Amino acid sequence: DTGVSQNPRHKITKRGQNVTFRCDPISEHNRLYWYRQTLGQGPEFLTYFQNEAQLEKSRLLSDRFSAERPKGSFSTLEIQRTEQGDSAMYLCASSINRGKNTDTQYFGPGTRLTVL
Amino acid sequence: KNEVEQSPQNLTAQEGEFITINCSYSVGISALHWLQQHPGGGIVSLFMLSSGKKKHGRLIATINIQEKHSSLHITASHPRDSAVYICAVMYSGGGADGLTFGKGTHLIIQP
Repeated sequence: DTGVSQNPRHKITKRGQNVTFRCDPISEHNRLYWYRQTLGQGPEFLTYFQNEAQLEKSRLLSDRFSAERPKGSFSTLEIQRTEQGDSAMYLCASSINRGKNTDTQYFGPGTRLTVL
Repeated sequence: KNEVEQSPQNLTAQEGEFITINCSYSVGISALHWLQQHPGGGIVSLFMLSSGKKKHGRLIATINIQEKHSSLHITASHPRDSAVYICAVMYSGGGADGLTFGKGTHLIIQP
């Protein structure tokens, strides 16, 4: 399977714990995006990478959220000191960007986080 | 605030009906996407438009840049078309380069 993969698919944690999610994009895709989707809402943009550079992170929801893409391939999204309001689906997408913002994004299946 | 508005929010129709879902946005964009999301979360990209019209099978997407409006049409609808359809835009201004999404249209096609 050469699509975008995300792990784990489901994560249940207790409030205050740290969690980390992984996204493996389609190989040769240089852009990687993270989104969050709460129940009944459309996804909201969190951050994105061009290769290993994080080009936008001001939309991360708080300083408890951080993301990395150290080698320009897979990415991780970490949430520290989780809160019940962090419960959501976390989606990753990747694309090939050739200089214009008209690339098709391919989405992974998401990681559903439940904070108890 | 840059917003994406979709209508209707919910739509139930009979198999075979012609379906139209509308999307409007507030400022200039570089591209508009139509996405399909099935229960369980998986999102599939249906179309990406920057002008005109695209067709794929029974799906047709149109965009009017001047009116800042796009429509997704489904011809000869089928129960397997039941899903949430989401409009998303990439704004052409500076700042974050992620997509801005509408809330989605929940479509149910009854046999």
